[in-house]
Amino acid sequence: DIQMTQSPSSLSASVGDRVTITCQASQDISNYLNWYQQKPGKAPKLLIYDASNLETGVPSRFSGSGSGTDFTFTISSLQPEDIATYYCQQYDNLPRTFGQGTKVEIK
Amino acid sequence: QVQLQESGPGLVKPSGTLSLTCAVSGGSISSSNWWSWIRQPPGKGLEWIGEIYHSGSTNYNPSLKSRVTISVDKSKNQFSLKLSSVTAADTAVYYCARNRKGVVDDIWGQGTMVTVSS
Repeated sequence: DIQMTQSPSSLSASVGDRVTITCQASQDISNYLNWYQQKPGKAPKLLIYDASNLETGVPSRFSGSGSGTDFTFTISSLQPEDIATYYCQQYDNLPRTFGQGTKVEIK
Repeated sequence: QVQLQESGPGLVKPSGTLSLTCAVSGGSISSSNWWSWIRQPPGKGLEWIGEIYHSGSTNYNPSLKSRVTISVDKSKNQFSLKLSSVTAADTAVYYCARNRKGVVDDIWGQGTMVTVSS
């Protein structure tokens, strides 16, 4: 299985801050990476697919980049409603695997 | 728009079989998408269980393959999950999802909590 390692596991930032999360794959996955947001008690929501494509209806403050083994997810200006856990997911190989998640909190 | 809804028992006895159904509304299960099951133990991360295409083709997580069966019922526009020989480690929220073109799980059900306990 391809291992996905996210960092940090949690972070605290102020409203308006730029927030960056990284995801590293255990092998080259090209750009076959998605990012999800999960709020407490809710199902995950797709934000970014193919590493950098914004899903329809998702605010433009969310963005993704990277290819190969190293990927970055950015919130350009953190909003109170962005409090959630964020997961990366690779789909280069089955089984599709997720990172362990990054919990984002407001400082 | 497409919506998914999981249903099934919330409590299963150890060594028993967990059975869940995902009803698809607002679209056809025979569209060019795969249909996935994903689970999340309490306080933990996400684990992909497997997926099915309307033709009946399936892919399973090797870690669960010996215990998992995913099936589709096109007449009812739904798909199902069976997980046998369950233990407490199978306690989780189970989600069904639409996997768009084999790329991304873009639409998710609300999830259903299944507890394995005697």
